Parts: sequence; structure tokens; C-alpha cells
Amino acid sequence: GAVVSQHPSRVICKSGTSVKIECRSLDFQATTMFWYRQFPKQSLMLMATSNEGSKATYEQGVEKDKFLINHASLTLSTLTVTSAHPEDSSFYICSAGAIRQPQHFGDGTRLSIL
Amino acid sequence: AQKITQTQPGMFVQEKEAVTLDCTYDTSDQSYGLFWYKQPSSGEMIFLIYQGSYDEQNATEGRYSLNFQKARKSANLVISASQLGDSAMYFCAMEYGNKLVFGAGTILRVKS
Repeated sequence: GAVVSQHPSRVICKSGTSVKIECRSLDFQATTMFWYRQFPKQSLMLMATSNEGSKATYEQGVEKDKFLINHASLTLSTLTVTSAHPEDSSFYICSAGAIRQPQHFGDGTRLSIL
Repeated sequence: AQKITQTQPGMFVQEKEAVTLDCTYDTSDQSYGLFWYKQPSSGEMIFLIYQGSYDEQNATEGRYSLNFQKARKSANLVISASQLGDSAMYFCAMEYGNKLVFGAGTILRVKS
């Protein structure tokens, strides 16, 4: 069964809406989780590293005020896309896991902003 | 900087035949890990196989094997006895620190 659960799987909303995506580790504690963005037929691009109890580390070019990350517990990280616009439409996917071990990925969230 | 290169945007293979998906990498680290993931059209990322830089033997997992050539910095994925369900996008990835950097991916289509 899935070890990382991501919710919702699909979101369609109006421009200007803020959207929250949850990523939960189901049977292990994750001090670190990762958020990726993927455009159609392209690779996964790391957006940020979510650190439990501290600020997220964002990759270069990712707006931290646009993509708010909260990692308040060892099993939950959330990504909030604030005031979403059509260009934020994408596939967002999270992962968690230990170093030198396969990352466990959520099933992803398809975000469509109208 | 770490870099992963997958030069095959798309590949076709006949059902029941073997196929090799290419992956080369660039790193100055001595210790690193290489992964292959499969992504079906539904979007989930499925772990296939892992190779550590100090592993002396090539990794194998069922029908998947990794042809690891350290001196050439290549980590090609070999899928034997292809099945229709193998049609998907395949990503090679390298771990640096605790992050993963992905290649551009290869779309594999298995023909019946």
C-alpha cells in the first residue's frame, strides 16, 4: 500500500484562489519532505525541501510567497499555492524518504486554474 | 553540479523483447546513488531500481537491471521481456545530499 498519501488528486478552481495540497507519510516519520512540479511531458523539478519544525528551503527561482510550505508534524507537509493563476496550473507531487533509500512519492495533484 | 542526461525522448520496443534506456550522469562526488522511476500516464512515481556508487555488482530487480559503468558515468536501465504494461515515462535520477535530480525522461511504448 501507499506509504505517502497526497490529497487532493485533482483541483480545478478560479484564478485568485489559494489551494492547499497535503502530503502525509503514513507509516514512517518524515523530518524532510520534498515538493516537485511537473509540466506535461517534462521532468520533475524540485521546488522546495520541507523541513519539520523549521522553514522550508526553496530552490532558485521558486517564489516562497507564492508557494507556502508548512511542515508542522513529522507526518504532514502542506503546499499552499497562494492566489493561483493559470500559469500555476501543473502537476505537483511530493516525496519523502531517507538518504540512499528510494523516495516514496505521493500520487500527485493535478492543479488547473481557470 | 550534478546533472542527469537521458538522450532518448522516446523508444519503441516489441512485446517480449528487451530494451535499454540510456542514462548518463555528471558529478564530482565519490559517493552517490542512482535511481530509476517509472511514471505511468496516471502520474504516480514507481521506484524500479537503485544503484549505489560503491556497489560492485549491477543492481537487478526482477525484469529490471541496471548496467552501471562507473568510469563512463552511465547507468542504463535494461527491461527484459517487455510487457504492454511497461509503456510509461521512465526517469533516471541521482541523489545529491538528500535531494533528487531527475533526467528529462524517456517515453517507452511497447508494441504488441
